[in-house]
Amino acid sequence: GAVVSQHPSWVICKSGTSVKIECRSLDFQATTMFWYRQFPKQSLMLMATSNEGSKATYEQGVEKDKFLINHASLTLSTLTVTSAHPEDSSFYICSARVGFIGGQVYNEQFFGPGTRLTVL
Amino acid sequence: GENVEQHPSTLSVQEGDSAVIKCTYSDSASNYFPWYKQELGKGPQLIIDIRSNVGEKKDQRIAVTLNKTAKHFSLHITETQPEDSAVYFCAASIGAAGNKLTFGGGTRVLVKP
Repeated sequence: GAVVSQHPSWVICKSGTSVKIECRSLDFQATTMFWYRQFPKQSLMLMATSNEGSKATYEQGVEKDKFLINHASLTLSTLTVTSAHPEDSSFYICSARVGFIGGQVYNEQFFGPGTRLTVL
Repeated sequence: GENVEQHPSTLSVQEGDSAVIKCTYSDSASNYFPWYKQELGKGPQLIIDIRSNVGEKKDQRIAVTLNKTAKHFSLHITETQPEDSAVYFCAASIGAAGNKLTFGGGTRVLVKP
């Protein structure tokens, strides 16, 4: 249980194009999904928090117009990197949190396998 | 905001020995502390977690301890195996803050056969 998938697993694009990354919770409904960015040999940095049916909350320093997040259902969130540039090349990872079941709080976040974006 | 420090940044152990990774956090309101294992090119995998109302938790060869007074928590791996080689991250979150995780810097563990 608690499987999170991401698609694509890797993508190469030209500078100036947009790229969409999908994050799906396969066997549970995720009230909240998170998007992280990870540079080589570094830790995960939270980019934004996405709640189903509402606007994403972005961390300080993350451009919301560049990194568009949509959380249209309890099992799907998408991250679109608009007008990508080489400095956007990174490993993007999503996670999903169950939240509440029957009044019980579940804090666990389950991570997807990541998407490696390379912008030429 | 929350700040999580993790030590050491690299750890090399002989197969069969124990490995210990330590983390400290800054916000006393943090109440959830997960540990993740990340293999090369993959997403983090939750291996164990602990909540602030518990001092210790064990799952087979893995254990986590929490000292709320000192604001630090540790991961203990016993009888290490080569497949334990990976990067380990600690994290902390505050339940009231949307459960955002703040990660430590990571520890690269190498288990030598």
